[in-house]
Amino acid sequence: DIQMTQSPSSLSASVGDRVTITCRPSQSISSYLNWYQQKPGKAPKLLIYAASSLQSGVPSRFSGSGSGTDFTLTISSLQPEDFATYYCQQSYSPPPYTFGQGTTLELK
Amino acid sequence: EVQLVESGGGLVQPGGSLRLSCAASGFSFSSYDVNWVRQAPGKGLEWISYITSSGDTIYYADSVRGRFTISRDNAKNSVYLQMNSLRAEDTAVYYCARRGSLQRGMIVVVGLDYWGQGTLVTVSS
Repeated sequence: DIQMTQSPSSLSASVGDRVTITCRPSQSISSYLNWYQQKPGKAPKLLIYAASSLQSGVPSRFSGSGSGTDFTLTISSLQPEDFATYYCQQSYSPPPYTFGQGTTLELK
Repeated sequence: EVQLVESGGGLVQPGGSLRLSCAASGFSFSSYDVNWVRQAPGKGLEWISYITSSGDTIYYADSVRGRFTISRDNAKNSVYLQMNSLRAEDTAVYYCARRGSLQRGMIVVVGLDYWGQGTLVTVSS
């Protein structure tokens, strides 16, 4: 199975900061990488699919990049509502479609 | 409005069984694949199962294969997760999630674009 490693596990930042989260799969997955945001007590929300495509309704301050074994999620200017946990997920066939362990973004 | 609503969670003893349901509305249910994802208390997300729109192809994570069974009834717009031989480590919030029609160029991806609110399963004596 493909293992997903996110870094950092947690991150402290301020409103207006630019932040980057990294996800590295244990083998190449081309661009079959998604990013989700989860707030406490809520279901995850899809932000980015196919590594760099913004899901409908997601603010443009979120962006994704990468391919193969190195991916990043960038938030260009943090807003108060962005403090949450972020997960990457690979969807390289066949399943299991494993998630990263998560990155918790906290207010500094 | 797309909605997925899980039900059937609760407290069960180790070795027991539960059947979770996921009721869908607001979209053409029979055209979409569905996944189950779980989250143990304070932990990350774990993908556990996938069923195609017609129900003809099914996948499981190793952690549940042989104990859990996914199924669907397109006439009832519902997906089910039958969970047998439950263990303490199966304690989690269980989410159903729709696979969206997501494509970038030639790449068609499995992305989960709508999720239910989750149902809590607690396995404890």
